[in-house]
Amino acid sequence: DTEVTQTPKHLVMGMTNKKSLKCEQHMGHRAMYWYKQKAKKPPELMFVYSYEKLSINESVPSRFSPECPNSSLLNLHLHALQPEDSALYLCASSQDVLRTGTNNEQFFGPGTRLTVL
Amino acid sequence: GQNIDQPTEMTATEGAIVQINCTYQTSGFNGLFWYQQHAGEAPTFLSYNVLDGLEEKGRFSSFLSRSKGYSYLLLKELQMKDSASYLCAVMDSNYQLIWGAGTKLIIKP
Repeated sequence: DTEVTQTPKHLVMGMTNKKSLKCEQHMGHRAMYWYKQKAKKPPELMFVYSYEKLSINESVPSRFSPECPNSSLLNLHLHALQPEDSALYLCASSQDVLRTGTNNEQFFGPGTRLTVL
Repeated sequence: GQNIDQPTEMTATEGAIVQINCTYQTSGFNGLFWYQQHAGEAPTFLSYNVLDGLEEKGRFSSFLSRSKGYSYLLLKELQMKDSASYLCAVMDSNYQLIWGAGTKLIIKP
């Protein structure tokens, strides 16, 4: 199974709502990532989890709150978002963070298309 | 600062060959990745280079010159389904991926 799954595929929310994005992988990967991607731009790293611990937080506003309940799951909790947060949110996983070489490529999920009204 | 440059857009003809270039300046180097991304979809891994030279994978090949900070992705026998964005990404000394802005490849019949 070389798949990263994400739910929901699409999400529309108001600025006062609270919602969560979910990501799951069963490849035994120990590194998981959240990216934000705007149209015609590359993915922008938000958070990195390594062995279920937050290792990188790229100065993301506190209205985004990541959680890693276990080695297969990664959540992104959303609260009081702004319209400019509308984007494609991508989850990815890789074997490890501090590792190079083949077989450490990042596998991406299909993404959640988020619209904030 | 860290910088990755790729052309914004390229056009090629079905059945032809196209080369997408990527130049980079990063703090450290732990490999270079190429990803393909169709509109509205997630990036999918194409290739990885960490040593100088050419890596071939079917219709796709990737080349790296570390001394020149340069890579290219070569696509042969182009098919309409190859129309996508191609993203170059370098893993820096902190093992973080630094992404280029992507090259949108348009294939014409």
